[in-house]
Amino acid sequence: RKEVEQDPGPFNVPEGATVAFNCTYSNSASQSFFWYRQDCRKEPKLLMSVYSSGNEDGRFTAQLNRASQYISLLIRDSKLSDSATYLCVVSMNTGFQKLVFGTGTRLLVSP
Amino acid sequence: DVKVTQSSRYLVKRTGEKVFLECVQDMDHENMFWYRQDPGLGLRLIYFSYDVKMKEKGDIPEGYSVSREKKERFSLILESASTNQTSMYLCASSPQWDTEAFFGQGTRLTVV
Repeated sequence: RKEVEQDPGPFNVPEGATVAFNCTYSNSASQSFFWYRQDCRKEPKLLMSVYSSGNEDGRFTAQLNRASQYISLLIRDSKLSDSATYLCVVSMNTGFQKLVFGTGTRLLVSP
Repeated sequence: DVKVTQSSRYLVKRTGEKVFLECVQDMDHENMFWYRQDPGLGLRLIYFSYDVKMKEKGDIPEGYSVSREKKERFSLILESASTNQTSMYLCASSPQWDTEAFFGQGTRLTVV
């Protein structure tokens, strides 16, 4: 089982749609969770951290479910500029401490 | 703004060559990382460093070494490049190991 798993997509949605991504992780002791965004041929950049109580940043909402070991990202009112790959990132200690990146979910927003 | 700078965007090297990838960060971060990114495999950690002259193996260190002589600079070395090391290489830095990682723009290395 992969340490962090994501549906690779692509998710094809029209502008204005609401779309949600899930990500599951294997290590129940994980403490920190993030969503990164990566544009084509660019480096990943932090989109938002994910807190236990859930958090929102404009059109983006992130939630954590520790019992089921998954995190989610909801994007409301999708824009063309939201087209990108979204990486789920989880901190783990597997002999050494590290951030583990999922392979990403690709989102394509069309006019 | 935090800036992480990698020395090259694109590199083409021959099999057996020794390859140096350089990374510099300007935010006095303790931690620096080297990843490679391949389609379907995501980002995989090669090596990381928590301090000057300190290095730790990540998940896929074979065929690589690193050097951190100064806090701001972390170098990845391919001792004898092979075609299976063709990949996108990403350097990152962070103030703590489980906080936001800031990435360089990446080096796309092709080994022929």
